Amino acid sequence: DIQMTQSPSTLPASVGDSVTITCRASENINTWLAWYQQIPGKAPKVLVSRASTVEGGVPSRFSGSGSGTEFTLTIRSVQPDDFATYYCQQYRIPPWTFGQGTKVEI
Amino acid sequence: QLHLQESGPGLVKPSETLSLTCVVSGGSISTNDFYWDWIRQSPGRGLEWIGSIHFRGSAYYNPSLQSRVTVAIDTSKNQVFLRLSSVTAADTAVYYCVRGAANPRGLYDHWGQGTLVTVSS
Repeated sequence: DIQMTQSPSTLPASVGDSVTITCRASENINTWLAWYQQIPGKAPKVLVSRASTVEGGVPSRFSGSGSGTEFTLTIRSVQPDDFATYYCQQYRIPPWTFGQGTKVEI
Repeated sequence: QLHLQESGPGLVKPSETLSLTCVVSGGSISTNDFYWDWIRQSPGRGLEWIGSIHFRGSAYYNPSLQSRVTVAIDTSKNQVFLRLSSVTAADTAVYYCVRGAANPRGLYDHWGQGTLVTVSS
């Protein structure tokens, strides 16, 4: 299975900060990577697909980049609704696998 | 608006079979464009893909669970089913019914609210 490793596990932030989350894949996944946001008690919601395509309805302050084995999700000017846990997921080779999550907290 | 709703017993005894139903409303599951998947989430294992099924019958499973899991579909009722046999405490998790793209597979755009299943005697 492809292992997905996120860093950091916890990311302290304040409203207005710019933050970056890193995701590393154990092998080349090209750009078959998605980012999800999960608010406590809710299901994950897709933010970014193909490493850098921001999904419809997602605020433009979210952006993704990377290819191969290294990827980042950046939130420019963090808003109160952004305090949540973020997961990366590879969908190049099954079984599809997720990172362990990064909690963005105040 | 597509809606996925999971249901089933919240408590299952060790060694028994976990059975869940996902009712899909607001859209047909009989579409070539999507698969219907189950994903679970637990503090110890994080998010884990269980398996997926297409309305034409193609099914795929996580090799780590393949010997114990069955995903089925009933197009007449717009429902998807999960069966996981010989459960242990490690199967305690929130189970999500999810819609995934068919091409490429593995990208999830609609999730149910999830249902907590606890394995305990």
